Amino acid sequence: GENVEQHPSTLSVQEGDSAVIKCTYSDSASNYFPWYKQELGKRPQLIIDIRSNVGEKKDQRIAVTLNKTAKHFSLHITETQPEDSAVYFCAANSGGSNYKLTFGKGTLLTVNP
Amino acid sequence: NAGVTQTPKFQVLKTGQSMTLQCAQDMNHEYMSWYRQDPGMGLRLIHYSVGAGITDQGEVPNGYNVSRSTTEDFPLRLLSAAPSQTSVYFCASSRSESEQFFGPGTRLTVL
Repeated sequence: GENVEQHPSTLSVQEGDSAVIKCTYSDSASNYFPWYKQELGKRPQLIIDIRSNVGEKKDQRIAVTLNKTAKHFSLHITETQPEDSAVYFCAANSGGSNYKLTFGKGTLLTVNP
Repeated sequence: NAGVTQTPKFQVLKTGQSMTLQCAQDMNHEYMSWYRQDPGMGLRLIHYSVGAGITDQGEVPNGYNVSRSTTEDFPLRLLSAAPSQTSVYFCASSRSESEQFFGPGTRLTVL
């Protein structure tokens, strides 16, 4: 089955700096890679996703890049703000089905004012 | 729309007891899933359903049963609770080829 590795497990940055979280996956058939943000005590919420037919996607301060050859994808957050502090999860689908996701173990991002 | 709802929010069980975690969605989504979240482990898929009457196992299905008699509801049954099933349980739903929407979660403690 799919295996998703996520690094780092914790990340601390100063407000205004950039943050990068990296994930690798094992299933070459994976073609959908979402990123979820989970604030303390809340449910995970999708912040951005990318499909295998594109290499990069941006949404304001958030961007995701995908390297299918190397089987890795990354989340980039620029101009970080204290409200970006949360746990971020990457995921990859299995067998080409969006509903069967394998998640990384998460990255706790702390943005210090 | 209420989105994805889960009940109860909190539950304490004794080892060996059984219970059902409820999940409902009002978005007419075909796909529904159950995940468990443990510290440092991310979200792990327990069972999923691609439509009424169709269910399948995920990564960690042992000790759990599911059924899907309607599009809206996807209950998760713990047959004989064990301390290893102490976790936060999330239900999620999605349309084909789109994002998964998560419910608020159920925090379960098994003593």
